[in-house]
Amino acid sequence: GQQLNQSPQSMFIQEGEDVSMNCTSSSIFNTWLWYKQDPGEGPVLLIALYKAGELTSNGRLTAQFGTTRKDSFLNISASIPSDVGIYFCAGRTTSGTYKYIFGTGTRLKVLA
Amino acid sequence: SAVISQKPSRDICQRGTSLTIQCQVDSQVTMMFWYRQQPGQSLTLIATANQGSEATYESGFVIDKFPISRPNLTFSTLTVSNMSPEDSSIYLCSVENSWGADTEAFFGQGTRLTVV
Repeated sequence: GQQLNQSPQSMFIQEGEDVSMNCTSSSIFNTWLWYKQDPGEGPVLLIALYKAGELTSNGRLTAQFGTTRKDSFLNISASIPSDVGIYFCAGRTTSGTYKYIFGTGTRLKVLA
Repeated sequence: SAVISQKPSRDICQRGTSLTIQCQVDSQVTMMFWYRQQPGQSLTLIATANQGSEATYESGFVIDKFPISRPNLTFSTLTVSNMSPEDSSIYLCSVENSWGADTEAFFGQGTRLTVV
């Protein structure tokens, strides 16, 4: 199935560091969603974005809807050990049968 | 956000058998989706469950293998038929909430299926 390109694939960081990841697509979307998935759980929605250029925060997390509508970015500031997990972006298609396409995921590991 | 209950949470099944996974939502939703997540991979959409009509399947997924029911706006089932070890995956139910033009999608906790 179709997937979005997400980078980096994985990253190890020190506790307290900031983290950035991004998601790119060849298609435009009208909604970008960012999720975190812990082992054995379903993805949990972190942030939703609806307008090109929009910048939205949720605690230490900040996400942006790219101006081209083909990309999105997630930043985590001052990472802590519980930030460990897999982060997925998802874009909602704009035509045809509406559905969500998921990114390949970024696996984050935080070193205390 | 919608509260989604998915059952069973995990199962170990013999090859050749079928398993039906249930998804119950605490409120009426328009869109319900079923995803597969293979070990270490991202989520792949299997189909959109349509209330009162046949599900819309994505390329590579067929109704005979993954029959889906959606009798009302709060409930859906996915059956994994004639299972083989390659069907071992996490299966996830998702629903969409809408506020005007804005939408969000939420997930159940998933069903971890192992086929032996």
